[in-house]
Amino acid sequence: EDKVVQSPLSLVVHEGDTVTLNCSYEVTNFRSLLWYKQEKKAPTFLFMLTSSGIEKKSGRLSSILDKKELFSILNITATQTGDSAVYLCAGTNYGGSQGNLIFGKGTKLSVKP
Amino acid sequence: NAGVTQTPKFRVLKTGQSMTLLCAQDMNHEYMYWYRQDPGMGLRLIHYSVGEGTTAKGEVPDGYNVSRLKKQNFLLGLESAAPSQTSVYFCASSYFRDEQFFGPGTRLTVL
Repeated sequence: EDKVVQSPLSLVVHEGDTVTLNCSYEVTNFRSLLWYKQEKKAPTFLFMLTSSGIEKKSGRLSSILDKKELFSILNITATQTGDSAVYLCAGTNYGGSQGNLIFGKGTKLSVKP
Repeated sequence: NAGVTQTPKFRVLKTGQSMTLLCAQDMNHEYMYWYRQDPGMGLRLIHYSVGEGTTAKGEVPDGYNVSRLKKQNFLLGLESAAPSQTSVYFCASSYFRDEQFFGPGTRLTVL
């Protein structure tokens, strides 16, 4: 059975800290790994990763994929209170006609002033 | 562009009642999905559609039905609501199997 596991489940840091969120996956016919940020409402897209070792970066956020060890990390530098959210990781596959995302349970990040 | 919209935003039902949740997207996406999100369980796929007129079961389809009569709309129906269906429901759409865009969610409570 395909699965995505995120760690830690929750994390509390202070503004200015750097955090690393982890995502490991077991997805048959793996296609891509996506990161989403969920505040109070809908998940919003951050990154999609398909190739190993190529870092994707957006401002203070960056992410990288390791297809050999089957994991991805999401880094946030110089955290701000606005980074407080649940960060979701999801895998996709090439299998059949299914295009769904296989989600992890998320990491809840709280950034204290 | 409105993106993905969902109606209603909130709903309270009594056990055994029925209702339909509507999802609409204006991005001309082929794929549409219905997820439910419960505390400690993450997002779980209920049903999905890969194009107008098609539907398929996801991870947790029991107790739900769907229809995709028009490309831009994806309906989720509960024929006889149960307390176990209390959840937040998200609709999403995508062009292919990649980035999915989510609607704002519907919070459903079944008493």
